Amino acid sequence: QKEVEQDPGPLSVPEGAIVSLNCTYSNSAFQYFMWYRQYSRKGPELLMYTYSSGNKEDGRFTAQVDKSSKYISLFIRDSQPSDSATYLCAMRNPGGSYIPTFGRGTSLIVHP
Amino acid sequence: EAGVAQSPRYKIIEKRQSVAFWCNPISGHATLYWYQQILGQGPKLLIQFQNNGVVDDSQLPKDRFSAERLKGVDSTLKIQPAKLEDSAVYLCASSLASGGVLSSTDTQYFGPGTRLTVL
Repeated sequence: QKEVEQDPGPLSVPEGAIVSLNCTYSNSAFQYFMWYRQYSRKGPELLMYTYSSGNKEDGRFTAQVDKSSKYISLFIRDSQPSDSATYLCAMRNPGGSYIPTFGRGTSLIVHP
Repeated sequence: EAGVAQSPRYKIIEKRQSVAFWCNPISGHATLYWYQQILGQGPKLLIQFQNNGVVDDSQLPKDRFSAERLKGVDSTLKIQPAKLEDSAVYLCASSLASGGVLSSTDTQYFGPGTRLTVL
């Protein structure tokens, strides 16, 4: 079993839909949870960053962490064609080097 | 603020040839990372530098891969000789992480990557 599991998709939705992207993990030591967005032919860019459990909202994006279930989610409201990209979850321990463990990414396509 | 620069953007070589990638991090960023991203997978760390010293190279295939950051700024990653399975995007990232103490909220900024195809 991989430390971080993420469905690769693709996930295709119409413009304006609410998108739900998810990851599961097996390492209970993970405390920091991140979501990156990666456009085609570009490097990943950090979208959201949360510590431990709970929700965090930033504009149209909401990140949720459920440590009891080892499950994290990213919700995108009012999705736009410009949101079409690959979304990578990543997570790491609180100590040691700052090296996150990445999921394989979910490809999202928002069509007009 | 200029981002992380990488060159070349694309490279096609035959197996057993050598190749080198260059990275220029964001000015003032002490920590530099090289990642390998195989198609359909998340990035995997190859090596991490703090200034010009190696912090973590446990996943670097040292029989064929080497990296250096001589003056604590630019870095090069070399593969010699290349294998078919080295076909991937090689991403460079940098973060502030000064003083050897990594902030829990430190952010890695990624470059656009070098797409390597080994034939």
